[in-house]
Amino acid sequence: TQLLEQSPQFLSIQEGENLTVYCNSSSVFSSLQWYRQEPGEGPVLLVTVVTGGEVKKLKRLTFQFGDARKDSSLHITAAQPGDTGLYLCAGPDNYGQNFVFGPGTRLSVLP
Amino acid sequence: ETGVTQTPRHLVMGMTNKKSLKCEQHLGHNAMYWYKQSAKKPLELMFVYSLEERVENNSVPSRFSPECPNSSHLFLHLHTLQPEDSALYLCASSQVVVRGPDTDTQYFGPGTRLTVL
Repeated sequence: TQLLEQSPQFLSIQEGENLTVYCNSSSVFSSLQWYRQEPGEGPVLLVTVVTGGEVKKLKRLTFQFGDARKDSSLHITAAQPGDTGLYLCAGPDNYGQNFVFGPGTRLSVLP
Repeated sequence: ETGVTQTPRHLVMGMTNKKSLKCEQHLGHNAMYWYKQSAKKPLELMFVYSLEERVENNSVPSRFSPECPNSSHLFLHLHTLQPEDSALYLCASSQVVVRGPDTDTQYFGPGTRLTVL
């Protein structure tokens, strides 16, 4: 069974600080997705990374896919209160039609 | 309207009630999914439909009954639920179920917050 682990589980920081959250697995994934979910809403796709070593930037967010395609990181520069939410990583399993989700990192950015 | 929509957004029901959740996707996708999200638990995949055919059922109790009349619509029929079934129920769609880097991404609806009394 492919599993995704995320760390830290919770993170509370002040506005303007930088942070990195991690998504790890012992299995290889063909791609990984990062989502942000706000309370009472569904997850919203931020990015998909496909190639090992790939780096994608989305304004102040930088996503990296590990060379071996077993891990990914999300770095936020100068965090803002609007970045608050649950950050989920997810990827397709290798067997069928399932998507595997990590438990998420709950980020709180205080003004 | 674009994306994935779900109705109702909030639902309160008794254990003897029968209700249905509705999901509609406007993305031209061929695969649709139901997930359950409980507090402090990762997203749990419940059902997967590909071209209106159920391809995955992750040991979900029979009190949850999915229906996919066409590739744009997905329903989850609920009956005799338990209080522990209270959760956020999310619908998602993807282009296809067959794997490929460009088709792996799922798009989610806003969810239905279900409370079972």
